[in-house]
Amino acid sequence: NAGVTQTPKFQVLKTGQSMTLQCAQDMNHEYMSWYRQDPGMGLRLIHYSVGAGITDQGEVPNGYNVSRSTTEDFPLRLLSAAPSQTSVYFCASSPGLAGGRMGNEQFFGPGTRLTVL
Amino acid sequence: GQQVMQIPQYQHVQEGEDFTTYCNSSTTLSNIQWYKQRPGGHPVFLIQLVKSGEVKKQKRLTFQFGEAKKNSSLHITATQTTDVGTYFCAGRGSGAGSYQLTFGKGTKLSVIP
Repeated sequence: NAGVTQTPKFQVLKTGQSMTLQCAQDMNHEYMSWYRQDPGMGLRLIHYSVGAGITDQGEVPNGYNVSRSTTEDFPLRLLSAAPSQTSVYFCASSPGLAGGRMGNEQFFGPGTRLTVL
Repeated sequence: GQQVMQIPQYQHVQEGEDFTTYCNSSTTLSNIQWYKQRPGGHPVFLIQLVKSGEVKKQKRLTFQFGEAKKNSSLHITATQTTDVGTYFCAGRGSGAGSYQLTFGKGTKLSVIP
């Protein structure tokens, strides 16, 4: 199993550009999430999905869109990048209800380091 | 909304000293998880605590969940250089259907050899 994969690893954008951060998992996990990590701020939830076709907003959703057309993939779209979106982005998956009491254990991808100029 | 406070933000210890990080939630939690992130890496799951007053050990690491399920701690005995990294707690709310994990801001541990 590759686990959770993210592409690209690094990206530089200009203000106003759009792009999609890719995330995929091969563990058949129900739940997937996107977090951003900024210095001194910990991990903040952007969007999450509890299954294919179901998404919901987290703590900091503004400026980001998501979709979940398959169990495996959960892309994050930046429609019009802003310097405030400079951050490290982590995708995570967890088994969900199928995992019982451990269904919430999050498996993180390696991250995408995004810089918006 | 739910808030999880974690202290201290930074901790520098001499190798062999003990280390403790604390988490406090503004609301009662259904469970709390702990993660470790090595420099330049991604968070890695360490443990989940579910029961009130629960204590779990992993070698030199001891995890506690408070009686009121609003606070937790991670204690490392006799730190080693391999313990370097940032430790995060993450709490899950107790409401029905609650999914979101709220992360603390982390404690960055430096170990001086």
